[in-house]
Amino acid sequence: AQTVTQSQPEMSVQEAETVTLSCTYDTSENNYYLFWYKQPPSRQMILVIRQEAYKQQNATENRFSVNFQKAAKSFSLKISDSQLGDTAMYFCAFMKPPGTNAGKSTFGDGTTLTVKP
Amino acid sequence: EAQVTQNPRYLITVTGKKLTVTCSQNMNHEYMSWYRQDPGLGLRQIYYSMNVEVTDKGDVPEGYKVSRKEKRNFPLILESPSPNQTSLYFCASKLGTANTEAFFGQGTRLTVV
Repeated sequence: AQTVTQSQPEMSVQEAETVTLSCTYDTSENNYYLFWYKQPPSRQMILVIRQEAYKQQNATENRFSVNFQKAAKSFSLKISDSQLGDTAMYFCAFMKPPGTNAGKSTFGDGTTLTVKP
Repeated sequence: EAQVTQNPRYLITVTGKKLTVTCSQNMNHEYMSWYRQDPGLGLRQIYYSMNVEVTDKGDVPEGYKVSRKEKRNFPLILESPSPNQTSLYFCASKLGTANTEAFFGQGTRLTVV
């Protein structure tokens, strides 16, 4: 079974600064998908960024980028130029690829990020 | 507008009274899934469905049932709810099981007393 660990329950950052949220996972699969989701106080789940394990290049979406270290099973999220609207809970998620148990997903416990003015 | 719709948004019920939380998506997605969110535990997958008439257990399926009779709907059924099923529930859908974005519903806050 897959596990996803987010070791930072809470973090804070000053507006305009950079923050990194950590995520590690455990799996015996060679190919899989990783995601970061954001959940603001509205409770809506919003996709931030995604990465396919067979791609070595780190994914980037505007101010959001990941540091994907496959051998270390690490998938950290870097938020640059933090904005007040980035205040939310962030979840790291793992999904199995097509094949046995395809579609099974595992989420971390979440990191609550507060951006301070 | 592409969306996943859950109903009801809020529900308070009593132990043992059967209930159904509906989930409907208008994006023709094959994949749908149910999660529960509890403080400190993140989202845990209850059941998922790869397509019509195909459903599989997630990590916490006990006490829940699902059905996928048509592509757009994926109801979650609690035959005999218990207080430990008090939680925030999310339905999600996505196009297949590849690296595609999952769209989440607004959530259903269920309280079982």
